[in-house]
Amino acid sequence: GENVEQHPSTLSVQEGDSAVIKCTYSDSASNYFPWYKQELGKRPQLIIDIRSNVGEKKDQRIAVTLNKTAKHFSLHITETQPEDSAVYFCAAYTSGGYNKLIFGAGTRLAVHP
Amino acid sequence: DGGITQSPKYLFRKEGQNVTLSCEQNLNHDAMYWYRQDPGQGLRLIYYSQIVNDFQKGDIAEGYSVSREKKESFPLTVTSAQKNPTAFYLCASKGGGAGWFFGPGTRLTVL
Repeated sequence: GENVEQHPSTLSVQEGDSAVIKCTYSDSASNYFPWYKQELGKRPQLIIDIRSNVGEKKDQRIAVTLNKTAKHFSLHITETQPEDSAVYFCAAYTSGGYNKLIFGAGTRLAVHP
Repeated sequence: DGGITQSPKYLFRKEGQNVTLSCEQNLNHDAMYWYRQDPGQGLRLIYYSQIVNDFQKGDIAEGYSVSREKKESFPLTVTSAQKNPTAFYLCASKGGGAGWFFGPGTRLTVL
């Protein structure tokens, strides 16, 4: 079945450094890739997304890149701040197919002051 | 986010008991989803519904049941057949080109 692999599972950076989280998906027909941030005990919040007809998207300190050929997509956070500390999930969706949003296992990001 | 609600926030289940988790949305979204999250893990799909009166099993449907009698509501029943139900349950909805919007979650604990 469909699968999304996410790496690393934990990531520790110093405040001001960049953080990169990578995901690989299995369904070549996947066409929508959101990223969610989840704080402890809270619901996941959408932070950025990208569709398959776009290679890169930026929103202030956050960017997402997509390589459809390799079936890879990545989240880049620049100038990290302590409030960026959370668990980040990538996901992949295929419209017109199973219509399921499949999540990666998550990355716990810790930003140290 | 504010348009999708779940209740209760915390739920305790005794052995052999069925419990129902509520999910309501006023976003006019056609599709609704139930996910289960275990500590330190990702979200796994239990059931989903793309339209009223229709739903499909996700990856871990055993021991769960759902109904979709109204567009706004997608309740999840955790039956006694689910042997390890302790988890955080998240409901989500999706409409048109919009992304998924999650409810605040229900934390279920087996006593």
